[in-house]
Amino acid sequence: AQSVSQHNHHVILSEAASLELGCNYSYGGTVNLFWYVQYPGQHLQLLLKYFSGDPLVKGIKGFEAEFIKSKFSFNLRKPSVQWSDTAEYFCAVMSGDTDKLIFGTGTRLQVFP
Amino acid sequence: DSGVTQTPKHLITATGQRVTLRCSPRSGDLSVYWYQQSLDQGLQFLIQYYNGEERAKGNILERFSAQQFPDLHSELNLSSLELGDSALYFCASSAQWGRPPYGYTFGSGTRLTVV
Repeated sequence: AQSVSQHNHHVILSEAASLELGCNYSYGGTVNLFWYVQYPGQHLQLLLKYFSGDPLVKGIKGFEAEFIKSKFSFNLRKPSVQWSDTAEYFCAVMSGDTDKLIFGTGTRLQVFP
Repeated sequence: DSGVTQTPKHLITATGQRVTLRCSPRSGDLSVYWYQQSLDQGLQFLIQYYNGEERAKGNILERFSAQQFPDLHSELNLSSLELGDSALYFCASSAQWGRPPYGYTFGSGTRLTVV
């Protein structure tokens, strides 16, 4: 069965610090990968997605993620975080033969001014 | 506004009761997914409907059931409620099943509190 691991449960940063959130998945076949963000009290919003092609994917709000197939990873990065990036971040995987999204447990990011 | 509408936003009910959560998908989307988000379990996939038919089932309890109606709105029925059912229930929709996935569009959720 597919699964997604997010090892960082809670990350605390100061503004302007760089961010990298880890995401590893377990599935040997074709996968589609996603990062969602949930701001306090709001619904999940799509940050970025990977289907195929360039493994470096750019999303909204300056976020990017890199798909490394050999490591089964899809880490999220941002060079310089802002206070407004405080939110919970979810990595998700969808195998090529279904459209069911499996989510990781989420990483709570707190950015202090 | 994401285009996915969930009602009610908040629900407080007693143990043993039954509630119905409603979801209207984004216009044109045929698939509806239900997720349960709790502090200890994260986001758990419950069930998926595509154009009125059940397509996939996840960790959905037997006390829970769902359906998708001809107008594509969906309802999640939770019965014999227990304290542990308190959670945020999200609905999401997507355009097509089996096509290049564009990701889901999520609703704002229904916060269920069982007392």
